[in-house]
Amino acid sequence: GQQVMQIPQYQHVQEGEDFTTYCNSSTTLSNIQWYKQRPGGHPVFLIQLVKSGEVKKQKRLTFQFGEAKKNSSLHITATQTTDVGTYFCAGTTTSGTYKYIFGTGTRLKVLA
Amino acid sequence: DTAVSQTPKYLVTQMGNDKSIKCEQNLGHDTMYWYKQDSKKFLKIMFSYNNKELIINETVPNRFSPKSPDKAHLNLHINSLELGDSAVYFCASSQEGPRFYGYTFGSGTRLTVV
Repeated sequence: GQQVMQIPQYQHVQEGEDFTTYCNSSTTLSNIQWYKQRPGGHPVFLIQLVKSGEVKKQKRLTFQFGEAKKNSSLHITATQTTDVGTYFCAGTTTSGTYKYIFGTGTRLKVLA
Repeated sequence: DTAVSQTPKYLVTQMGNDKSIKCEQNLGHDTMYWYKQDSKKFLKIMFSYNNKELIINETVPNRFSPKSPDKAHLNLHINSLELGDSAVYFCASSQEGPRFYGYTFGSGTRLTVV
């Protein structure tokens, strides 16, 4: 079936270090979104990417959509303790029964 | 002025009981969803309703029955609760079509079956 995998599953970084999570889909996606879920909280929408090769930035966060529209990445520069949480990608598929699939998530822990 | 609100926030109940979770959104979105998040944080869609019509019914035991009285409400009723139903259940809403711009999630209902 359709899957969206994220790596790594867990990441511990020292405050100030960079962090990247990768999202890989088994099928082509028409768009991709990223969400952040703080510990004990709910997923909060961060951004949507639609075009092949698209790159968007939000302050220290850089989001990229792959040329083949099957993968994406989220890069955080100089992490802060407020970046702690689980980051999910979610893709809208171009075919199949699922319209929207969430990735497996990457849990980020930032050590002060 | 909460956008997507779920009640209750916590639910502890015994095996075999029947329980309901309510969800309401005031965003004017036309689509609502129920997601289940397990202990490993995986988010799995259970149901999706568009303007009160069921459009996604994932492989979920038929003990789970959603009901949408209008497009602003989507409730989830669970019969004969089992230990494996323990999880966080999130309601979400979105606007489909060209104005689709991500899901807005409720704060979740942590269900514990003992």
